[in-house]
Amino acid sequence: EAQVTQNPRYLITVTGKKLTVTCSQNMNHEYMSWYRQDPGLGLRQIYYSMNVEVTDKGDVPEGYKVSRKEKRNFPLILESPSPNQTSLYFCASRFQGQGYSPLHFGNGTRLTVT
Amino acid sequence: RKEVEQDPGPFNVPEGATVAFNCTYSNSASQSFFWYRQDCRKEPKLLMSVYSSGNEDGRFTAQLNRASQYISLLIRDSKLSDSATYLCVVTVDYKLSFGAGTTVTVRA
Repeated sequence: EAQVTQNPRYLITVTGKKLTVTCSQNMNHEYMSWYRQDPGLGLRQIYYSMNVEVTDKGDVPEGYKVSRKEKRNFPLILESPSPNQTSLYFCASRFQGQGYSPLHFGNGTRLTVT
Repeated sequence: RKEVEQDPGPFNVPEGATVAFNCTYSNSASQSFFWYRQDCRKEPKLLMSVYSSGNEDGRFTAQLNRASQYISLLIRDSKLSDSATYLCVVTVDYKLSFGAGTTVTVRA
Protein backbone atom coordinates (compact mmCIF):
# COMPACT_ATOMS: atom_id res chain seq x y z
CA GLU A 1 0.00 0.00 0.00
CA ALA A 2 1.31 3.43 -0.97
CA GLN A 3 1.78 5.46 2.18
CA VAL A 4 3.70 7.95 4.25
CA THR A 5 4.52 6.59 7.70
CA GLN A 6 5.33 8.76 10.68
CA ASN A 7 6.43 7.65 14.10
CA PRO A 8 5.61 8.10 16.86
CA ARG A 9 1.94 9.11 16.71
CA TYR A 10 2.06 10.70 20.16
CA LEU A 11 5.04 12.00 22.07
CA ILE A 12 5.32 13.78 25.39
CA THR A 13 8.74 15.06 26.33
CA VAL A 14 10.47 17.65 28.49
CA THR A 15 12.20 20.85 27.50
CA GLY A 16 15.68 20.31 26.14
CA LYS A 17 15.54 16.56 25.55
CA LYS A 18 16.51 15.85 21.95
CA LEU A 19 13.98 13.92 19.91
CA THR A 20 13.52 12.63 16.38
CA VAL A 21 10.27 12.07 14.51
CA THR A 22 10.70 9.64 11.66
CA CYS A 23 9.01 9.82 8.26
CA SER A 24 9.20 7.23 5.52
CA GLN A 25 7.42 6.96 2.15
CA ASN A 26 7.27 4.00 -0.22
CA MET A 27 6.16 5.85 -3.37
CA ASN A 28 9.59 6.85 -4.65
CA HIS A 29 8.67 10.52 -4.26
CA GLU A 30 11.44 13.06 -4.72
CA TYR A 31 9.77 15.81 -2.68
CA MET A 32 9.23 15.49 1.06
CA SER A 33 8.19 18.10 3.56
CA TRP A 34 7.39 18.69 7.23
CA TYR A 35 4.53 20.84 8.48
CA ARG A 36 3.22 21.87 11.82
CA GLN A 37 -0.40 22.67 12.43
CA ASP A 38 -1.60 24.92 15.22
CA PRO A 39 -5.15 26.11 15.92
CA GLY A 40 -6.04 29.14 13.83
CA LEU A 41 -2.73 29.11 11.96
CA GLY A 42 -3.24 26.29 9.51
CA LEU A 43 -0.40 24.22 8.11
CA ARG A 44 3.00 25.87 8.15
CA GLN A 45 5.99 24.41 6.40
CA ILE A 46 9.07 23.70 8.52
CA TYR A 47 11.53 22.18 6.04
CA TYR A 48 11.33 20.53 2.68
CA SER A 49 13.55 18.41 0.48
CA MET A 50 13.46 18.18 -3.29
CA ASN A 51 15.71 15.13 -3.41
CA VAL A 52 18.41 13.20 -1.59
CA GLU A 53 20.89 15.48 0.17
CA VAL A 54 18.88 18.58 -0.81
CA THR A 55 17.00 20.33 1.99
CA ASP A 56 15.66 23.85 2.40
CA LYS A 57 13.99 25.94 5.05
CA GLY A 58 10.28 26.49 4.96
CA ASP A 59 8.38 29.22 6.74
CA VAL A 60 9.09 28.20 10.35
CA PRO A 61 12.44 26.34 10.48
CA GLU A 62 13.77 27.71 13.80
CA GLY A 63 14.45 24.98 16.34
CA TYR A 64 14.27 22.14 13.82
CA LYS A 65 16.70 20.13 11.73
CA VAL A 66 16.16 17.60 8.97
CA SER A 67 18.24 15.25 6.89
CA ARG A 68 17.66 13.40 3.61
CA LYS A 69 20.28 10.69 3.31
CA GLU A 70 17.93 8.31 1.54
CA LYS A 71 15.06 9.02 -0.81
CA ARG A 72 12.45 7.32 1.32
CA ASN A 73 13.31 8.83 4.74
CA PHE A 74 13.06 12.39 6.00
CA PRO A 75 13.43 12.59 9.79
CA LEU A 76 12.60 15.73 11.77
CA ILE A 77 14.99 16.49 14.62
CA LEU A 78 14.37 18.76 17.59
CA GLU A 79 17.75 19.25 19.23
CA SER A 80 16.42 21.13 22.25
CA PRO A 81 12.61 21.11 22.26
CA SER A 82 10.74 23.96 23.88
CA PRO A 83 7.06 24.29 24.89
CA ASN A 84 6.31 26.48 21.85
CA GLN A 85 7.05 23.45 19.68
CA THR A 86 4.04 21.66 21.11
CA SER A 87 2.02 21.03 17.99
CA LEU A 88 0.63 18.54 15.51
CA TYR A 89 3.25 17.60 12.93
CA PHE A 90 2.70 16.15 9.47
CA CYS A 91 5.16 14.73 7.01
CA ALA A 92 4.16 14.72 3.35
CA SER A 93 5.60 13.69 0.00
CA ARG A 94 4.87 14.00 -3.69
CA PHE A 95 6.43 13.54 -7.09
CA GLN A 96 8.58 16.49 -8.00
CA GLY A 97 8.44 18.14 -11.40
CA GLN A 98 4.80 17.38 -12.02
CA GLY A 99 2.70 20.47 -11.57
CA TYR A 100 -0.44 18.53 -10.78
CA SER A 101 1.08 16.07 -8.33
CA PRO A 102 -0.74 16.30 -4.99
CA LEU A 103 0.78 15.84 -1.55
CA HIS A 104 0.36 12.61 0.37
CA PHE A 105 0.37 13.06 4.14
CA GLY A 106 1.43 10.87 7.00
CA ASN A 107 -1.06 10.41 9.80
CA GLY A 108 0.56 12.94 12.08
CA THR A 109 2.59 13.18 15.29
CA ARG A 110 1.11 14.97 18.25
CA LEU A 111 4.00 16.41 20.24
CA THR A 112 3.74 17.89 23.73
CA VAL A 113 6.78 19.58 25.27
CA THR A 114 6.49 20.35 28.98
CA ARG B 1 -1.49 39.75 2.55
CA LYS B 2 -1.55 35.98 3.03
CA GLU B 3 -0.74 33.89 -0.02
CA VAL B 4 -3.90 31.85 0.36
CA GLU B 5 -6.99 32.95 2.25
CA GLN B 6 -10.15 31.11 3.14
CA ASP B 7 -13.30 32.03 5.01
CA PRO B 8 -12.89 29.99 8.18
CA GLY B 9 -16.64 29.50 8.60
CA PRO B 10 -18.11 27.57 10.19
CA PHE B 11 -20.76 26.86 7.61
CA ASN B 12 -23.61 25.10 9.37
CA VAL B 13 -25.97 23.49 6.89
CA PRO B 14 -28.79 20.92 7.07
CA GLU B 15 -28.49 17.58 5.39
CA GLY B 16 -29.34 17.80 1.73
CA ALA B 17 -28.37 21.45 1.41
CA THR B 18 -25.84 22.91 -0.98
CA VAL B 19 -22.84 24.73 0.44
CA ALA B 20 -20.15 26.62 -1.41
CA PHE B 21 -17.07 28.51 -0.37
CA ASN B 22 -14.05 30.13 -1.94
CA CYS B 23 -10.33 30.35 -1.56
CA THR B 24 -8.41 33.35 -2.83
CA TYR B 25 -4.74 33.34 -3.76
CA SER B 26 -2.36 36.25 -4.21
CA ASN B 27 0.22 34.95 -6.70
CA SER B 28 -0.96 35.19 -10.29
CA ALA B 29 1.74 32.69 -11.29
CA SER B 30 0.07 29.93 -9.28
CA GLN B 31 -0.05 26.74 -11.30
CA SER B 32 -1.82 23.93 -9.50
CA PHE B 33 -4.78 23.94 -7.19
CA PHE B 34 -6.20 21.32 -4.87
CA TRP B 35 -8.90 20.86 -2.29
CA TYR B 36 -8.08 18.71 0.72
CA ARG B 37 -10.38 17.48 3.42
CA GLN B 38 -9.26 17.26 7.03
CA ASP B 39 -11.18 15.58 9.80
CA CYS B 40 -10.60 16.65 13.37
CA ARG B 41 -6.80 16.79 13.79
CA LYS B 42 -6.21 13.94 11.36
CA GLU B 43 -4.06 14.14 8.26
CA PRO B 44 -5.36 16.13 5.29
CA LYS B 45 -6.57 13.94 2.46
CA LEU B 46 -6.86 14.92 -1.17
CA LEU B 47 -10.45 15.62 -2.12
CA MET B 48 -9.88 16.77 -5.67
CA SER B 49 -7.57 18.64 -7.96
CA VAL B 50 -8.95 21.78 -9.59
CA TYR B 51 -8.62 22.09 -13.33
CA SER B 52 -8.85 25.22 -15.43
CA SER B 53 -12.16 24.23 -16.97
CA GLY B 54 -13.67 23.24 -13.64
CA ASN B 55 -14.35 19.68 -12.62
CA GLU B 56 -16.83 17.57 -10.78
CA ASP B 57 -16.50 14.48 -8.65
CA GLY B 58 -19.86 13.17 -7.57
CA ARG B 59 -21.47 15.78 -5.34
CA PHE B 60 -18.39 17.99 -5.35
CA THR B 61 -17.67 20.65 -7.95
CA ALA B 62 -14.50 22.71 -8.10
CA GLN B 63 -14.00 25.85 -10.14
CA LEU B 64 -10.99 28.02 -10.91
CA ASN B 65 -11.25 31.70 -11.70
CA ARG B 66 -7.82 32.91 -12.75
CA ALA B 67 -8.96 36.44 -13.52
CA SER B 68 -10.17 37.00 -9.97
CA GLN B 69 -7.64 34.59 -8.46
CA TYR B 70 -9.85 32.27 -6.54
CA ILE B 71 -10.97 28.67 -6.50
CA SER B 72 -14.27 27.43 -5.22
CA LEU B 73 -15.76 24.23 -3.88
CA LEU B 74 -19.44 23.40 -4.02
CA ILE B 75 -20.96 20.48 -2.19
CA ARG B 76 -24.43 19.36 -3.29
CA ASP B 77 -26.83 17.23 -1.29
CA SER B 78 -24.70 17.52 1.86
CA LYS B 79 -24.27 14.44 4.02
CA LEU B 80 -23.43 14.27 7.70
CA SER B 81 -20.13 12.69 6.66
CA ASP B 82 -19.19 15.86 4.76
CA SER B 83 -18.59 17.61 8.10
CA ALA B 84 -14.91 18.48 8.04
CA THR B 85 -12.45 21.27 7.42
CA TYR B 86 -11.67 21.91 3.77
CA LEU B 87 -8.19 23.19 2.91
CA CYS B 88 -7.23 24.76 -0.35
CA VAL B 89 -3.69 24.30 -1.61
CA VAL B 90 -2.03 26.41 -4.26
CA THR B 91 1.32 25.68 -5.86
CA VAL B 92 3.89 27.84 -7.58
CA ASP B 93 6.73 25.68 -8.92
CA TYR B 94 7.79 23.54 -5.95
CA LYS B 95 6.18 25.71 -3.28
CA LEU B 96 2.83 24.77 -1.86
CA SER B 97 0.76 27.24 0.13
CA PHE B 98 -2.13 26.22 2.34
CA GLY B 99 -5.22 28.04 3.35
CA ALA B 100 -6.16 27.85 7.02
CA GLY B 101 -9.31 25.91 6.15
CA THR B 102 -13.08 26.32 5.97
CA THR B 103 -15.09 24.34 8.49
CA VAL B 104 -18.33 22.79 7.34
CA THR B 105 -20.80 21.21 9.74
CA VAL B 106 -23.74 19.31 8.33
CA ARG B 107 -26.59 18.79 10.80
CA ALA B 108 -29.34 16.20 10.72
